[in-house]
Amino acid sequence: EVRLEESGGGFVQPGRSLRLSCAASGFTFDDYAMHWVRQVPGKGLEWVSGISWDSAGIGYADSVKGRFTISRDNAKNSLNLQMNNLRAEDTALYYCAKDLTGVVLIPESWGQGTLVTVSS
Amino acid sequence: QSALTQPRSVSGSPGQSVTIACTGTSSDVGGYNYVSWYQQHPGKAPKLMIYDVSKRPSGVPDRFSGSKSGNTASLTISGLQAEDEADYYCCSYAGRYTEVFGGGTRLTVL
Repeated sequence: EVRLEESGGGFVQPGRSLRLSCAASGFTFDDYAMHWVRQVPGKGLEWVSGISWDSAGIGYADSVKGRFTISRDNAKNSLNLQMNNLRAEDTALYYCAKDLTGVVLIPESWGQGTLVTVSS
Repeated sequence: QSALTQPRSVSGSPGQSVTIACTGTSSDVGGYNYVSWYQQHPGKAPKLMIYDVSKRPSGVPDRFSGSKSGNTASLTISGLQAEDEADYYCCSYAGRYTEVFGGGTRLTVL
């Protein structure tokens, strides 16, 4: 059974940084691409970033490009999202998702999310 | 990277069929056959219902079907059931390792 457990969320002031992590289990982690998707409570889904199985293919939403960095550690079955220069509009529930394939194409299985609140 | 366009809400009675449209551009929906649909119940994580425009993951009822014409993808739910009441989101690959979601559609089963 695929299991994805996000951590690292919390309350942070604008301009500060936060690092999210996702611990994966139940599948061969280094065979699959991974995604970060966020959702403001009560609002829609927004794709944030994706990374291919080998980290060779990485993409970002325009809204976070230059501020967020996605990375993965296949030896530790973990996915990370380094979020710098946070803004109030980054406040959301952040989901980690496994792709159907090894490249960034189709988010398939999702974790339960970790909440990030950016406020002064 | 503009969000795909979905109707804010649709509704139908049990047993009826409903279709949710998802309109993008030639840079996303129209350019790739990597459209997916997700169902999300309140307080829950999204669940993949359709991928590659029209394929169903194991365990998804065949009442759910997907299609695409030009820049518009569609999700059809036939034989509506009470448990289908949820939010539905489309998603498309948009090139250069990026994805874009639709704004979401609230399905109400009357």
